[in-house]
Amino acid sequence: GDSVTQMEGPVTLSEEAFLTINCTYTATGYPSLFWYVQYPGEGLQLLLKATKADDKGSNKGFEATYRKETTSFHLEKGSVQVSDSAVYFCAWETSGSRLTFGEGTQLTVNP
Amino acid sequence: NAGVTQTPKFRILKIGQSMTLQCAQDMNHNYMYWYRQDPGMGLKLIYYSVGAGITDKGEVPNGYNVSRSTTEDFPLRLELAAPSQTSVYFCASRQSNQPQHFGDGTRLSIL
Repeated sequence: GDSVTQMEGPVTLSEEAFLTINCTYTATGYPSLFWYVQYPGEGLQLLLKATKADDKGSNKGFEATYRKETTSFHLEKGSVQVSDSAVYFCAWETSGSRLTFGEGTQLTVNP
Repeated sequence: NAGVTQTPKFRILKIGQSMTLQCAQDMNHNYMYWYRQDPGMGLKLIYYSVGAGITDKGEVPNGYNVSRSTTEDFPLRLELAAPSQTSVYFCASRQSNQPQHFGDGTRLSIL
């Protein structure tokens, strides 16, 4: 069935390290893909999105490219900061405007 | 601009009690959603609505009810609270072809 598989956490990095969080999806057609971020005690916020193959979403130094051939949408950042510590969710949009979420990856960045 | 407002922020219920989680949005969005987030898990869709007067079941609707009498409000009702419903509940809204906006969540414990 339709699903999102997200890299398991938690992930702990030092400040200025390179970040990759893997995400692959199983879906029919070409869904829109999203990364959401959840800071402690808050709701989810949209981080970036891509709506078609080869699109690159970017925001706050984070990037993700919609790879149709590998059905992936991996999140990357070249130099993480302590303030990036949060839970990151990959999601894709099904028919009927419904989102399917991955299980989330907890990122902790140490100074 | 309030966005999506959820009340209450926290609640403790006894088994068998009932309650309504409130969600209101002031962005005139047609689509509204209720999710639950269990520890270490992604979000699961409970119910959603594509407009006033229309509601549909999501992945995990059992034990819940919703109504959508106005565009702004989308309350979630628990009739007979069970320990399995202990979770954090998020409401979201969106307009067509736009990402979902999330509230800050309601943390519900059932003892």
